[in-house]
Amino acid sequence: EVQLVESGGGLVQPGRSLRLSCAASGFKFGDFAMHWVRQAPGKGLEWVSGISWNSDTIAYADSVKGRFTISRDTAKNSVYLEMNSLRGEDTAFYYCAKARPPGSYYLPIDSWGQGTLVTVSS
Amino acid sequence: DIQMTQSPSTLSASVGDRVTITCRASQSISSSLAWYQQKPGKAPNLLIYKASSLEGGVPSRFSGSGSGTEFTLTIGSLQPDDFATYYCQKYDGYSRTFGQGTKVEIK
Repeated sequence: EVQLVESGGGLVQPGRSLRLSCAASGFKFGDFAMHWVRQAPGKGLEWVSGISWNSDTIAYADSVKGRFTISRDTAKNSVYLEMNSLRGEDTAFYYCAKARPPGSYYLPIDSWGQGTLVTVSS
Repeated sequence: DIQMTQSPSTLSASVGDRVTITCRASQSISSSLAWYQQKPGKAPNLLIYKASSLEGGVPSRFSGSGSGTEFTLTIGSLQPDDFATYYCQKYDGYSRTFGQGTKVEIK
């Protein structure tokens, strides 16, 4: 069974940094592209960042480009989101998500974690 | 960047109704479109991928159609478990834009 468990969320002041982690199990992690998607309370889904199986393809939403960095560690079956210069509008639940069948980056998301809440406030 | 526009934003319907949600892309995305269902407090669930392919385990009352810039999600006969918010998402190109969502409410 696919399991994605996010951690690292919490309350952080504007301008500070936070690192989210996602521990994956139940599938061959190294074969799949991974993504981060966020959802502000009561709002819609916003794709944040994605990384291909071999880290060759990395992409970011314009809203986080230059501030957030995605990475993965196949040995630890984990994907990370380093978030710098945080703003109030970054407050959201952050979901880790796995893409469909292995190979290409250009495949839909088919599994999600339960999310971790990041609150940016002074 | 390609924008995804869903309509309507809210839809009121009764059990047994046929429901259609539309998603429009600002440029052609071929068939690189997925539909997700999300219930309050839960992560989204994949329903449809490649515009019209039903994800395993999803009831057959859900169907998708379209290509290029216009797509639809149809629920053939609305069931009590279907009251939720639905999102489309493009997955061609580097970025993965979602539509703004359609909330299906009980009439």
